[in-house]
Amino acid sequence: NAGVMQNPRHLVRRRGQEARLRCSPMKGHSHVYWYRQLPEEGLKFMVYLQKENIIDESGMPKERFSAEFPKEGPSILRIQQVVRGDSAAYFCASSQTSGKNIQYFGAGTRLSVL
Amino acid sequence: SQQGEEDPQALSIQEGENATMNCSYKTSINNLQWYRQNSGRGLVHLILIRSNEREKHSGRLRVTLDTSKKSSSLLITASRAADTASYFCATDGNAGGTSYGKLTFGQGTILTVHP
Repeated sequence: NAGVMQNPRHLVRRRGQEARLRCSPMKGHSHVYWYRQLPEEGLKFMVYLQKENIIDESGMPKERFSAEFPKEGPSILRIQQVVRGDSAAYFCASSQTSGKNIQYFGAGTRLSVL
Repeated sequence: SQQGEEDPQALSIQEGENATMNCSYKTSINNLQWYRQNSGRGLVHLILIRSNEREKHSGRLRVTLDTSKKSSSLLITASRAADTASYFCATDGNAGGTSYGKLTFGQGTILTVHP
């Protein structure tokens, strides 16, 4: 049973480009969470999705950031017109249900904006 | 200050010693979890303790939870060099009785275990 798969592991973008981060949850998990970790800080919640629905996007910046979890395929975190401040590690987690279940984390995507 | 704050920020010990890390939080919770993160890697779940539990063990790990003080501690006994990592507590809030599983993480404790 593969764990949470994120790709790419490392992503380099120039300012103004778009970044697409992918996350495939664990088999049987229908809940996906995205977190961002700045250097030497803890993780900050961004968005929580179930299949085809955004449940909570209270941690997402209002502009340039979007997330989706289509019926088929991985969840995508999309950052448009990246800026240097977007450089961070982005982690995806999945769980079987919400609330009281353990979240299993992927290895993360490290985004560097030049 | 933020929900889920750990102390100390950094802890350096010798192999074989015990390591204790503490976490404080502000709001009511459903559960509290501890995660480990090796440098440059993802998070590994260690243990989950529910709000109605006071203590939980898993191998060399012992977690306590004091909801009256809104605090938790993680004890690693007989530490090994391989335990060197950052440790985070994360709370699953219960604001207004609704919890979507959104985790709030602390800043973490960096543990270094010297061989």
